[in-house]
Amino acid sequence: IAGITQAPTSQILAAGRRMTLRCTQDMRHNAMYWYRQDLGLGLRLIHYSNTAGTTGKGEVPDGYSVSRANTDDFPLTLASAVPSQTSVYFCASSVQGFPEQYFGPGTRLTVT
Amino acid sequence: ILNVEQSPQSLHVQEGDSTNFTCSFPSSNFYALHWYRWETAKSPEALFVMTLNGDEKKKGRISATLNTKEGYSYLYIKGSQPEDSATYLCALENTGFQKLVFGTGTRLLVSP
Repeated sequence: IAGITQAPTSQILAAGRRMTLRCTQDMRHNAMYWYRQDLGLGLRLIHYSNTAGTTGKGEVPDGYSVSRANTDDFPLTLASAVPSQTSVYFCASSVQGFPEQYFGPGTRLTVT
Repeated sequence: ILNVEQSPQSLHVQEGDSTNFTCSFPSSNFYALHWYRWETAKSPEALFVMTLNGDEKKKGRISATLNTKEGYSYLYIKGSQPEDSATYLCALENTGFQKLVFGTGTRLLVSP
């Protein structure tokens, strides 16, 4: 079934540890995005990628990095997790010319 | 920092009621306005993307209008059903590259 998947579903992580959240889509969408969802705040864009090989910063990029080695995968890395990065993380994708974004199921991350 | 505001924060209606909510945004540098529907335990799903002042979109019992000059969009649900219960998000796209700034959403509960 075509779509966008994220892994893990949830994770508890000690502060200071490194963590990579995985996102894979099989729709051949050129653009991909990472958002975080926090209580009382809207979805906030962390990083995005127009196409494989390019990335850009969103609204809240600090403490996160991304890479886009191919069309399908867009991992998000927390180099040294801090408690303020406790959140639900959503990956999304879209195709050029069709602005709707398709969201993955989310990863719930708790940093202790 | 762009500010996208949605009102009300939450709404509780009875089955069969019609309802509407508002999304307000800065009208400068407008490119597109997105509406998403987000059911509990699921991912946001695109409803509409509107770009032109005066745009009206409809999908079943749900419709939306757009006023880019005054910076607002209305979402209407006619004859609400329990399955319409969800959080409705609007998002402003002002760069033309699908970098979205989301509002905090309107949570709708429809009681049978």
